[in-house]
Order: sequence, then structure tokens, then C-alpha cells
Amino acid sequence: GENVEQHPSTLSVQEGDSAVIKCTYSDSASNYFPWYKQELGKRPQLIIDIRSNVGEKKDQRIAVTLNKTAKHFSLHITETQPEDSAVYFCAASPIPGGSYIPTFGRGTSLIVHP
Amino acid sequence: DAGVIQSPRHEVTEMGQEVTLRCKPISGHDYLFWYRQTMMRGLELLIYFNNNVPIDDSGMPEDRFSAKMPNASFSTLKIQPSEPRDSAVYFCASRTGGAYEQYFGPGTRLTVT
Repeated sequence: GENVEQHPSTLSVQEGDSAVIKCTYSDSASNYFPWYKQELGKRPQLIIDIRSNVGEKKDQRIAVTLNKTAKHFSLHITETQPEDSAVYFCAASPIPGGSYIPTFGRGTSLIVHP
Repeated sequence: DAGVIQSPRHEVTEMGQEVTLRCKPISGHDYLFWYRQTMMRGLELLIYFNNNVPIDDSGMPEDRFSAKMPNASFSTLKIQPSEPRDSAVYFCASRTGGAYEQYFGPGTRLTVT
């Protein structure tokens, strides 16, 4: 089955800095990579995703990059703000259909200091 | 839609007691997932259902855990007997077949003393 490794487990940055979270996956059949954000005491929510036919996707201050050859993908947050503080989970899966069962990384706790 | 609903939100019980967690998925969603979240292991998939049928329960830690989905709008996760190491946040999530996003419930924080 799929195995997703996520690093770092904790990331501390100053407000305004950039933050990068990296994930690797093992199953070459995976071609959908979502990122979920979980604020303290809240539920995980999808913030951005990328599919294997795209190398990069941006949404305002967040971007994801994908390197299928190396089997790794990353989340980039620019101009970080205190409200970006949360746990971020990456995941990998075959393209949604009946078999879309994402395997999650263990999460990265991002702390943005004002 | 109210989203995925879970109850109770918090549960404190003593070791050896039976615990039942409940989930109501979003109407029309035909996939339902149960996850356990701990600091040590992150988000673990315990079991998932498709059209009320359990498809993969390989993540269920042991026989003390069981899950049912008697109809499209209700599922339970039962732990009997509970142990302190079962303390965690349990999330239910649902989605439609072919959709990308999973919608998580608010979670149940279980504490077993």
C-alpha cells in the first residue's frame, strides 16, 4: 500500500516568512495529492490539491508543487500570518473514483510567531 | 447542509467500559470513513464504508473495535472494552464517489481513564 512521509513534524517561522512542508510517497499509481489544514481543536479541511498532470498550483499565498519522478510534493506558504498556525496534512491517492482512499502523512505543526 | 455530525463531542470513560461513537454523514455521500488521531501516529484510517458496506477494516486496531453502518445516514464505532491507549480524537468523514474532497466531522475526543 501507499506510504506517505511528511517533514518537518514542527515548523516555527516569523510572521512574513515563507514556510515549506515536504511529503514523499511510495506508490507510483498515486496521482492526486490534497493538503488539509487543521486549526487547533477543529476538523481537517481541504485547502489545496494537485493532480499528476500539473507540476504546480497556486491559490493566493499557498502553492503546491509536484515531482512525480522523485515522488515528492510540497506545500509552500508565503507571507505567513498568525492565522496560518495549524497542523497541515498531506495525502496521496489514486485519482478519485471508487478507489479514492487517501493515505495521510503524520502532519506538520506550523507555528507563526507575530 | 449541516455537514458531518458526530456525537458525543467529548467522552470520558473508565477502562473496561463500552464506548459508542456516532456519525451522521452528509446527505448523498456514499463513502464514510472513520479515523483516529493521536500525536504519536497522526491520522489513521480505521475503516471505511461504501453504500453502507464495510470495504476495508484493516486499520481497526483489534477485535475490541467494531463499526457498523445500518443505513446511509448513520454509523457507529464501538470500543468494548475500552483501554487508556484508546484515548484519541476520532473523526468521521464522508464524500461522494468520484469526488475529491473528504468532509470531516468535528471529531469526538475520547479519554479513557
